[in-house]
Amino acid sequence: DIQLTQSPSFLSASVGDRVTITCRASQGISRSLAWYQQKPGKAPKLLIYAASTLQSGVPSRLSGSGSGTEFTLTISSLQPEDFATYYCQQLNSYPRTFGQGTKVDVK
Amino acid sequence: QVQLVQSGAEVKKPGASVKVSCKASGYTFTGYYVHWVRQAPGQGLECMGWINPTSGGTDYAQKFQGRVSLTRDTSINTAYMELNRLRSDDTAVYYCARGGNGHAFDIWGQGTMVTVSS
Repeated sequence: DIQLTQSPSFLSASVGDRVTITCRASQGISRSLAWYQQKPGKAPKLLIYAASTLQSGVPSRLSGSGSGTEFTLTISSLQPEDFATYYCQQLNSYPRTFGQGTKVDVK
Repeated sequence: QVQLVQSGAEVKKPGASVKVSCKASGYTFTGYYVHWVRQAPGQGLECMGWINPTSGGTDYAQKFQGRVSLTRDTSINTAYMELNRLRSDDTAVYYCARGGNGHAFDIWGQGTMVTVSS
């Protein structure tokens, strides 16, 4: 199975901050990566697929980049609704493994 | 609107089986794979398997091989996940999700809490 490692696992930030989360894959996955946001008690929500394509309805302050084994999710100006846990997921092979998650909370 | 609606919470004893349903609406059920993902309390996300609603073809994560069965009923646009020989560490929220754009999981069910306890 392909392993995904996110860093950091926890991140404290303030509204307006620029936030970057990294996801590293144990082997190359081209651009077959998605990002999700999850809030407590809710199902995950797709944010980005194919490494950098924004899902419909997702605000443009979120962006994704990368290919191969290293990927990033960036929030250009953190908003109150962005405090949540973020997961990356590889879509290159089955099982579609997830990273361990990055929790973004209030500084 | 496009949605997946799952069956309600379950409490089971160790060794029992559980079957969770996932009803699709607002889109062509046979046009998209349905994936199953679970999340233990306070933990991350774990893929269990997928089903092709058109053919009924399935694939399972090795961890669940032999214990999980994914099926579907196209007449009622519903997918099912059955997990057998339940253990306490199967206690989790179980989600179904649609495989959409770029094979990403673009629509999720609300989740079904399965508690395994003696």
